[in-house]
Amino acid sequence: GIQVEQSPPDLILQEGANSTLRCNFSDSVNNLQWFHQNPWGQLINLFYIPSGTKQNGRLSATTVATERYSLLYISSSQTTDSGVYFCAVVSFNDYKLSFGAGTTVTVRA
Amino acid sequence: GAGVSQSPSNKVTEKGKDVELRCDPISGHTALYWYRQSLGQGLEFLIYFQGNSAPDKSGLPSDRFSAERTGGSVSTLTIQRTQQEDSAVYLCASSLASEVTEAFFGQGTRLTVV
Repeated sequence: GIQVEQSPPDLILQEGANSTLRCNFSDSVNNLQWFHQNPWGQLINLFYIPSGTKQNGRLSATTVATERYSLLYISSSQTTDSGVYFCAVVSFNDYKLSFGAGTTVTVRA
Repeated sequence: GAGVSQSPSNKVTEKGKDVELRCDPISGHTALYWYRQSLGQGLEFLIYFQGNSAPDKSGLPSDRFSAERTGGSVSTLTIQRTQQEDSAVYLCASSLASEVTEAFFGQGTRLTVV
């Protein structure tokens, strides 16, 4: 099956800092989503972005499908941004979301 | 409801007992997924339902696990003769179709087997 690699595995930020999270995948995809898992375990949808660039407030994401990677940008980080960020993809000829191992982000005040 | 609803939120059960976990997908969503997340781990696919098609059960870890979806809506995941290694958060997701639409997750059921 498709392999999804996220980097870095852990990220510690000072409040106000910017950061970039990366997701590499091993095959062509027709679906890519970024999620934020909050401390209560809830998976919050951030972006549905199989290709192109999207922005939502302080967060933005870019997927370059031809090069098999996606980036999630966090600007002016806040303590509420802490949690685990997951990238999940669906490869062609498949239907289930395959998840990366996640990036654990800790934002310190 | 507005989102995917799972119940119960928490379940503590004794080893060897059977448990049932429920998922109410978003109204109109035909695709439904179950995933499992063990402590500190990523998400592991369990089972997939799409409309009236036969479900994909390829992710179920053993024959103690089963799931059904009644009337194309509510789904129940059943774990028989629970073991301590079944302790995890069980997450349900739904989407409008299947692979090309956005999936939304419920809040999960935290299962603890003692």
